[in-house]
Parts: sequence; structure tokens; C-alpha cells
Amino acid sequence: SQTIHQWPATLVQPVGSPLSLECTVEGTSNPNLYWYRQAAGRGLQLLFYSVGIGQISSEVPQNLSASRPQDRQFILSSKKLLLSDSGFYLCAWMTGGGYGYTFGSGTRLTVV
Amino acid sequence: GQQVMQIPQYQHVQEGEDFTTYCNSSTTLSNIQWYKQRPGGHPVFLIQLVKSGEVKKQKRLTFQFGEAKKNSSLHITATQTTDVGTYFCAGGWGGTASKLTFGTGTRLQVTL
Repeated sequence: SQTIHQWPATLVQPVGSPLSLECTVEGTSNPNLYWYRQAAGRGLQLLFYSVGIGQISSEVPQNLSASRPQDRQFILSSKKLLLSDSGFYLCAWMTGGGYGYTFGSGTRLTVV
Repeated sequence: GQQVMQIPQYQHVQEGEDFTTYCNSSTTLSNIQWYKQRPGGHPVFLIQLVKSGEVKKQKRLTFQFGEAKKNSSLHITATQTTDVGTYFCAGGWGGTASKLTFGTGTRLQVTL
């Protein structure tokens, strides 16, 4: 079966510290992968998407970067976190066949 | 950039009342999708509409796509407490990346 894993579930990091969030997909190959961020009580903002290994497109200039070192692995990183990086980070893959996106369970990041 | 607006931002109904949320795009869409996010959870795919004027039903939920493929609505008949959550529409403009732009969401609160 097709599943998406995202970790950690919650994270509290000091300002200026690095960040690495990982997302992996199982049961599919060459998926389109996406990173979204949701500020508290707000909508979802597309940060990055990838259509294949090593292919990253950025939607919003920011303090973050993304990488796709393997077909089913998508990583969101930052060298130095800012307070404004706090939020709910969601990884998703395009399920296809008219079934939309499947989201991971998300990471709640608080930068203090 | 492409924007998707959604209204209302919040609605509080009594159980048994109907609920409708509306979604509007500034440009013609290729498809529109709807998601539900329970409090503390991640968005879950509900449905995709692709045809002009399309109407789809899922039990008490009715989804419509406008004739011009610029607007959509989700109507819930006789709400139940299990309907509580935030409903997002997401507009797609096609392309291999299958990116979605999410609306701002409508938070639904249902009380007895």
C-alpha cells in the first residue's frame, strides 16, 4: 500500500539553529512531492515541489531549502531558523488518478 | 500569482443546519479539489472536480464547479458534530507538477 511518513511530529528549536525535516513515501515510484507550510489558523502555502530526483522548484523566497536525494525522499532544511519559520510543515505527494494529494501527518515547528 | 479566495473564514452552526463554503479563483482552473482538516490534524482529500458545471455528491456533501471553472462550492446538508473542521478548496492549473494553490479555508464549528 502507498503511505507517506513525516517526522518528527513536533519540534522546538532555538533561533539560529539548523533544521532538517524528512518525508518519505512508500509504495509508489517517481511521485511528485510537495512541502507546504501552514501558519496557525491559516491556509497552506506551497514552499517547494519536486517532480524527480534532484529536481527542486521553489515557490517562495525564504530561509528554507529542499532536497530530493532519493526518489521517495524529500527533505526540508534551514541553516539558521528565524522566529517567522514557526508553523505546521506538511509534506504531500500527488496520488494521481483524480485522488488529489495525500498529506503526511505534519511537523509542528516552534522557533523560540 | 494565482490566488484562490474562500469565504466565509469561519462559520458556527447548530447541528442539523446546513453549511456552505465558497471558493473563487482569479483565473480559469483546470480542476478544483476539496480537503478537510480536523483540528490538530492534516488535510484529507475529499474530492476533485474537473468539468465545467460539474456536481458531485458524497452522502450529505455536495460539491459544485462553476460553468466558467473559476468558482466552486461545498454544501453540507444537516451538519453533524463530526463535520467540525476546516474545509479547504485547492485550485489546479494543470501541468506536470500538478501544483495546487489552496484557499484560505473555512473553519466550521458545529454545536448541539
